[in-house]
Amino acid sequence: GGIITQTPKFLIGQEGQKLTLKCQQNFNHDTMYWYRQDSGKGLRLIYYSITENDLQKGDLSEGYDASREKKSSFSLTVTSAQKNEMAVFLCASSMGNYAEQFFGPGTRLTVL
Amino acid sequence: QQKVQQSPESLIVPEGGMASLNCTSSDRNVDYFWWYRQHSGKSPKMLMSIFSNGEKEEGRFTVHLNKASLHTSLHIRDSQPSDSALYLCAANANSAGNKLTFGIGTRVLVRP
Repeated sequence: GGIITQTPKFLIGQEGQKLTLKCQQNFNHDTMYWYRQDSGKGLRLIYYSITENDLQKGDLSEGYDASREKKSSFSLTVTSAQKNEMAVFLCASSMGNYAEQFFGPGTRLTVL
Repeated sequence: QQKVQQSPESLIVPEGGMASLNCTSSDRNVDYFWWYRQHSGKSPKMLMSIFSNGEKEEGRFTVHLNKASLHTSLHIRDSQPSDSALYLCAANANSAGNKLTFGIGTRVLVRP
């Protein structure tokens, strides 16, 4: 088995601030993902990466940057936090195509 | 436009009853469906997946797939209070590689 850790668990920022969320996995999975979940609703894909240094845009990439520094880690930056940004950000990883995605515990973002 | 539609939005089921959830994709390239379960305050966990026409059963859970209509359904028999959760349907398109598209979910409440 493996585990996905996300830091921080809670993130409070000011409107307009640049904020970074981090994710680490020890599954040795190739693909990693960042999703946003608003208020108990479905997941929307922000960015994903199929290997180290690769980056693919999801449906919600505007206003975000991402970086796959190494196979085990994937970070997400909110470039300028907005009040409607308040959501849970979930990191996931999978072995590849048509493979189960495993999710981390999430980072809850609040923008004041 | 939501490419993965789920219905109903919410469902109340008596303990011991049957819960039936529906999911349809509007993307003709979809060839794999997933069902994830998310308990309140937790991250999603994969429940079942299906890519062949027909039915797949695992314990109290049964998934059906009709590839012609791109419709899948999840049935929970002998529902337990611990089945109360958000059920998310996701679809993999053969053109989209590792990318999943999620629906907004069906919230199930099992009443003791």
